[in-house]
Amino acid sequence: SQELEQSPQSLIVQEGKNLTINCTSSKTLYGLYWYKQKYGEGLIFLMMLQKGGEEKSHEKITAKLDEKKQQSSLHITASQPSHAGIYLCGADMNRDDKIIFGKGTRLHILP
Amino acid sequence: DTAVSQTPKYLVTQMGNDKSIKCEQNLGHDTMYWYKQDSKKFLKIMFSYNNKELIINETVPNRFSPKSPDKAHLNLHINSLELGDSAVYFCASSQGTGFLNEQFFGPGTRLTVL
Repeated sequence: SQELEQSPQSLIVQEGKNLTINCTSSKTLYGLYWYKQKYGEGLIFLMMLQKGGEEKSHEKITAKLDEKKQQSSLHITASQPSHAGIYLCGADMNRDDKIIFGKGTRLHILP
Repeated sequence: DTAVSQTPKYLVTQMGNDKSIKCEQNLGHDTMYWYKQDSKKFLKIMFSYNNKELIINETVPNRFSPKSPDKAHLNLHINSLELGDSAVYFCASSQGTGFLNEQFFGPGTRLTVL
């Protein structure tokens, strides 16, 4: 079974609109990464969250980790075409230094 | 300057062949990784090396053999390629092991086995 569930699997959003992507675990997360993958390219680090309730922002992207450290959300404000890609959450699920990734959310931005 | 580079970017080969993918990082990192991303975009760790020593070895067929000639290089050799090996393989590196060490990913190698 998938340990990290991402939702939605894909998302089509009009340029300028806000959107949220979720990453949920059945276990407490010992830290969570958000990566972005542009189509056909490598992974780009976005943010890392460690503490329950933590929130970080970079430009128009905000990521939060809930208090129980079982769910994270990634919010994009006023989306732009450059935001298109696949967003992956990854977490150390078992404190063994292995990052397990979710299946990703494909984001398309309509002009 | 490319931080983590992989060659080749694309690899198309016949079933049964042996092939290698090379990875190099110029970040001075101690730890390197190989990930496999399948057709459903699911990314899964395969191996991890720290200072040329194998530290993570997930359930991967013996046909896959990583080799780290030095800290800056981690190559992946695959014997007797099978159709199911078709995927994008990502190399990554980090300063050390542990979750706090951000991993930098290469551009990926798309392997297609015919």
